[in-house]
Amino acid sequence: EVQLVESGGGLVQSGESLRLSCVASGFSFSSNWMHWVRQGPGKGLLWVSRITSDGRRTNFADAVKGRFTISRDNAKNTLYLQMNSLRAEDTAVYYCATGAGIMGATGGFDIWGQGTMVAVSS
Amino acid sequence: SYVLTQPPSVSVAPGETATIPCGGNNIEGKSVHWYQQRPGLAPVLVIYLDSDRPSGIPRRFSGANSGNTATLSISRVEVGDEADYYCQVWDSSTQHVMFGGGTKLTVL
Repeated sequence: EVQLVESGGGLVQSGESLRLSCVASGFSFSSNWMHWVRQGPGKGLLWVSRITSDGRRTNFADAVKGRFTISRDNAKNTLYLQMNSLRAEDTAVYYCATGAGIMGATGGFDIWGQGTMVAVSS
Repeated sequence: SYVLTQPPSVSVAPGETATIPCGGNNIEGKSVHWYQQRPGLAPVLVIYLDSDRPSGIPRRFSGANSGNTATLSISRVEVGDEADYYCQVWDSSTQHVMFGGGTKLTVL
């Protein structure tokens, strides 16, 4: 079964750090670009970051650039999101997502995790 | 950055056709993808590359892209189609994935 399972969410204070993980199974993780997408309470989807299949290149949304880092361990089929200097506005459900071929790089995500909740108190 | 505009809500009676627009500057030059999100669940891809349907998505779902507007159409709408729908494109100038604000479909 094709699956993405996120973990690592929780309640933290403003300024603190958190690392999210996303474990993949059922597909060739090492061949896919991977993304993080978040959704604030009652809000829409907001793309956060992406990473190439080999982990060498990354991109970030302006709202998180300089504070968040994305990485992956292809030997462990795991994607990470290191979140530093967290703010109240980072409160959201964080999803990892991917797609086949070119859509894995630029969207058209047909594989999503169930999401993990991050709450930042001020 | 590239902006996608969707109406906050669309209402339709069961059995009718729902049309959800997604506006963007010369959006016809981009590939548009559409997602359905039911409350408490992860998004599901329902249309990719403007008008293709993933396996398992009913043929009632269709997409089009022309000029400054992409459109998701759902024919013979069912109560089970009630959800939020998001359009999405790739902004090559910023190297960012962009989502529209989402449209809540209500089946009256």
